[in-house]
Amino acid sequence: GAGVSQSPSNKVTEKGKDVELRCDPISGHTALYWYRQSLGQGLEFLIYFQGNSAPDKSGLPSDRFSAERTGGSVSTLTIQRTQQEDSAVYLCASSFLPHKGNTGELFFGEGSRLTVL
Amino acid sequence: DQQVKQNSPSLSVQEGRISILNCDYTNSMFDYFLWYKKYPAEGPTFLISISSIKDKNEDGRFTVFLNKSAKHLSLHIVPSQPGDSAVYFCAASPGNQFYFGTGTSLTVIP
Repeated sequence: GAGVSQSPSNKVTEKGKDVELRCDPISGHTALYWYRQSLGQGLEFLIYFQGNSAPDKSGLPSDRFSAERTGGSVSTLTIQRTQQEDSAVYLCASSFLPHKGNTGELFFGEGSRLTVL
Repeated sequence: DQQVKQNSPSLSVQEGRISILNCDYTNSMFDYFLWYKKYPAEGPTFLISISSIKDKNEDGRFTVFLNKSAKHLSLHIVPSQPGDSAVYFCAASPGNQFYFGTGTSLTVIP
């Protein structure tokens, strides 16, 4: 597609349930990022995939969070045993890398709003 | 620890005046800086960027200034328009990862 696509756009779940959020990046983009924005907060880095390299998972807040990127394209962020503090908008972004020599900006999807009751 | 800081959570300006949004960073390895604009219920969209080899980049009404010695960058919008009302995030990159500030909510008053 023309842009980064995320699904679902909204997800309401009960505490303790698992959720999966999907990101379909722009075709040809080698880098994929997951961020989240909690109410009144900035963009919090979660995880970063670059090509076939091992992902940078340094931003994942707990071991309940995991992500994978299949075939260098679509990514799934999984949150197990969701807690109320997981409620946030989860944003996916993709880009060309390295940024040197090109504009290098991130292209964001519209986000998946997760509400944990 | 927040490596990119936007100390003003909000800013209001009159239509036609200049909006100045500020951003500070701590990591001297950052060599590429960007500004993003975000409307409610939408993902952030790229606005303007600057490489560390420059101190100014201009695109229409938007100009970004970089002061490397002070580890400070700013976004100037002139003249400000009501449609500019949004949350503005600054971001910095050392080459792979992007670090974002907490955002400044700009309101342009007609």
